[in-house]
Amino acid sequence: NAGVMQNPRHLVRRRGQEARLRCSPMKGHSHVYWYRQLPEEGLKFMVYLQKENIIDESGMPKERFSAEFPKEGPSILRIQQVVRGDSAAYFCASSPSQGRTNTEAFFGQGTRLTVV
Amino acid sequence: AQSVTQLGSHVSVSEGALVLLRCNYSSSVPPYLFWYVQYPNQGLQLLLKYTSAATLVKGINGFEAEFKKSETSFHLTKPSAHMSDAAEYFCAVSDQAGFQKLVFGTGTRLLVSP
Repeated sequence: NAGVMQNPRHLVRRRGQEARLRCSPMKGHSHVYWYRQLPEEGLKFMVYLQKENIIDESGMPKERFSAEFPKEGPSILRIQQVVRGDSAAYFCASSPSQGRTNTEAFFGQGTRLTVV
Repeated sequence: AQSVTQLGSHVSVSEGALVLLRCNYSSSVPPYLFWYVQYPNQGLQLLLKYTSAATLVKGINGFEAEFKKSETSFHLTKPSAHMSDAAEYFCAVSDQAGFQKLVFGTGTRLLVSP
């Protein structure tokens, strides 16, 4: 059973370009979470999605950032017109369900975005 | 609002020594608490979690943590450090049993010397 797959592992973008980060959850998982880790900081929650629905996007910047989790295919975190401050590691996690004590979210290896 | 404070951005121990990584939390509701480990250029791996059952929680790789409500703490310990324990450790809190929305501390880097 493959784990949470994120690609690309490393992404370099020039200021003003768009960045697309992909996350394929573990098989059977329908809940996806995106976190951002800035240098020397902990992870910060960005958004929580279920298939075709955004459940909680309270951690998403109001502009330039969007996320989706379509019925088919991976979840996508999209950053438009990137700026240097977007440089960070972006982690995706998935879980099979919510609200149960034995639920565990599994993290991917992250995408390290560098904006030059 | 919930928050987590990890005291000490770096902790150094000798191989075989006790490991103690500190975590204090703030939560207006009964918290669910977690410790994760991150190896270089890797994702996070769950070490252990507290979900209102036993206050002493045992995790993987010989780690354990004790939930102390009176001290609002959830410190991580291991009796004897191994070189392979060198990594970044994150404490996190949630207000729900599921892992919907974790609030992470800033992390503690554990250094293990021979």
